[in-house]
Amino acid sequence: EVQLVESGGGLVQSGGSLRLSCAASGFNFSSYWMHWVRQAPGKGLVWVSRFNSDGSITTYADSVKGRFSISRDNAKNTLYLQMNSLRAEDTAVYYCTREGRYGEEAPYYFDHWGQGTLVTVSS
Amino acid sequence: IVLTQSPATLSLSPGERATLSCRASQNVLNYLAWYQQKPGQAPRLLIYDTSNRATGIPARFSGSGSGTDFTLTISSLEPEDFAVYYCQQRSNWPPYTFGQGTKLEIK
Repeated sequence: EVQLVESGGGLVQSGGSLRLSCAASGFNFSSYWMHWVRQAPGKGLVWVSRFNSDGSITTYADSVKGRFSISRDNAKNTLYLQMNSLRAEDTAVYYCTREGRYGEEAPYYFDHWGQGTLVTVSS
Repeated sequence: IVLTQSPATLSLSPGERATLSCRASQNVLNYLAWYQQKPGQAPRLLIYDTSNRATGIPARFSGSGSGTDFTLTISSLEPEDFAVYYCQQRSNWPPYTFGQGTKLEIK
């Protein structure tokens, strides 16, 4: 069974930093692109960042570029999101998601999601 | 690409048919998905590539459309179907864009 478990959220002051983790299990983590998607309280889903399977491509939404850094440790089956210079508008639940692979069901869509971790930035 | 969902809120009764709309600002071909999100839960993939149901999704959920206009239909609403539904495109990414959501509530 595919499982994604996020951790590391919490309350941080504006300008501060936080590192989120996503522990993956039940699938060959190193073979999948992984993403972070966030959801501000009462709002919709917003894509944040992605990391390809072999670690050569990282991409960010304009709103977080230069402040957030995505990384992964395939040996530990873990995805990370380092968040620096946090702002009040970064307050959200952060979800770790898996992107389906070509040749499998739902290629290139978010086929599995973690339960999310809440980040609250106080101003 | 901007995805616009309508209506923002849809009030229906169990057993009724639900029709949710998603309109794209540009042609996304058939590269559109639908997700369901219940309160306090993560989103769940329902439909991908416009009309393909994900594993375990009941047959009462169906998707249709192409280009810029897409529809999610729930043929006969069950109590567990009342939730928020999001569309998402993968035609032109990144960024991966979602619609703003349609809340399906019990009338």
